Amino acid sequence: GAVVSQHPSWVICKSGTSVKIECRSLDFQATTMFWYRQFPKQSLMLMATSNEGSKATYEQGVEKDKFLINHASLTLSTLTVTSAHPEDSSFYICSARDLVLDEQFFGPGTRLTVL
Amino acid sequence: QKEVEQNSGPLSVPEGAIASLNCTYSDRGSQSFFWYRQYSGKSPELIMSIYSNGDKEDGRFTAQLNKASQYVSLLIRDSQPSDSATYLCAVNTGFQKLVFGTGTRLLVSP
Repeated sequence: GAVVSQHPSWVICKSGTSVKIECRSLDFQATTMFWYRQFPKQSLMLMATSNEGSKATYEQGVEKDKFLINHASLTLSTLTVTSAHPEDSSFYICSARDLVLDEQFFGPGTRLTVL
Repeated sequence: QKEVEQNSGPLSVPEGAIASLNCTYSDRGSQSFFWYRQYSGKSPELIMSIYSNGDKEDGRFTAQLNKASQYVSLLIRDSQPSDSATYLCAVNTGFQKLVFGTGTRLLVSP
C-alpha cells in the first residue's frame, strides 16, 4: 500500500504554545488529506478535510481558528494546533486519499501532550 | 441512527479459528467499503477494500459485501494472536470522506 508519513511522532509542549504537525504522502499524490483525532479507548474522530490549493472543510464542533490546516502541495498537509491546552492532548492522525487506488492510507500518528 | 455500526466486542476466538466481524451501514448510495486494523496506540492500517457484491479474498482475509442488506463482513481464517486488534469498518458515501464505525475489538487466545 501507499506510504504516508507524519512528523513529529510525538511532541510535548507547554500550555499556550502552538504545535505544527506535518503529513506527507511519500509515493503518491494526494489531492485530499484528512485529519483525525483519537482520545484513549475512543474511536477516530474526523476533524477536517484538506484539499490541495483550497480551504479546509472542518467538521461540526471543530474550531478552524484553533486547528489551522494548510495543504500547499499534492504531497504535504500541515495541522497547527494554536494556543494548545491540556484538553488538546490527543493522538492526531492524518490520512491521504490515493485517487488511483480510491483508497485512504493513514500516517503513523502524532501523540501530543500539552502540559 | 449511526451511519456505520459495529459490535464493539470484544470478540474472543481461539488461535486457529475463524473470526467473523460484521458491519452494517445506513446509506444505500455507498460505493466503497474498507476494513482497517488498529493496534493499541497505533494508527489504522488498511487491510481490505471491496466495491462490489460478493466475496473478496486476500490471504487469510475475506471481505464480504451485500449491498441489498447493507452489510459488510470480514472473515479472518486461521486466526493468530497477532491478529488481536480493533477492526474498523469504513464506508465511502460519495463525499470523499470515509465514515467509520466505532470498531470491533478482536482477541485471539493462544
